[in-house]
Amino acid sequence: DIQVTQSPSSLSASVGDRVTITCRASQDISNYLAWFQQKPGKAPKSLIYAASTLHSGVPSKFSGSGSGTDFTLTISSLQPEDFATYYCQQYNTYPFTFGPGTKVDIK
Amino acid sequence: EVQLVESGGGLVQPGGSLRLSCAASGFTFSSLDMTWVRQAPGKGLEWVSSITGSSAYIYYADSVKGRFTVSRDNAKNSLYLQMSSLRAEDTAVYYCAGGTYEKIDYWGQGTLVTISS
Repeated sequence: DIQVTQSPSSLSASVGDRVTITCRASQDISNYLAWFQQKPGKAPKSLIYAASTLHSGVPSKFSGSGSGTDFTLTISSLQPEDFATYYCQQYNTYPFTFGPGTKVDIK
Repeated sequence: EVQLVESGGGLVQPGGSLRLSCAASGFTFSSLDMTWVRQAPGKGLEWVSSITGSSAYIYYADSVKGRFTVSRDNAKNSLYLQMSSLRAEDTAVYYCAGGTYEKIDYWGQGTLVTISS
């Protein structure tokens, strides 16, 4: 199975900060990577697929990049509604696997 | 309006069985792949199973293979997860999700399954 790791596991940031989260796959997954946002007690929300394509309605402050094994999610200017946990997921090969998550909280 | 509504969760003893349902509306159900994702209390997301629109292809996580069975009834716009030989580690909120191989477009609100004696 493909293992997916994320770093950092958590981070504290201020409103207006630029935030970058890294996701790494244990083998080449091309661009078959998605990013999700989840707030406490809520269902996940899809943000990005194909490593860099924003889902409809997702604001452009979110961006994704990478291919192969290394990927990043960037939030250009953190807003109060962005404090959440972010997960990446590879869908190159079944079983699909999620990263362990990165919790973004307020500094 | 697109809706995915899970039901069937509850408290079950270890070794027991449970059937989850997910009712879909607001989109062409038969055209989308459907997926179950779970989240144990305080833990991260875990992909459980996916089924293609025609049910031609079905996939499972190793942790549930042989114990869980996913199915769908396109005439009823419904997705199911039959769970048996349940273990404490199956305790989680189970989400149904719909989309394509490439992306998940829709999420349900989740249903809680608790395995405990």
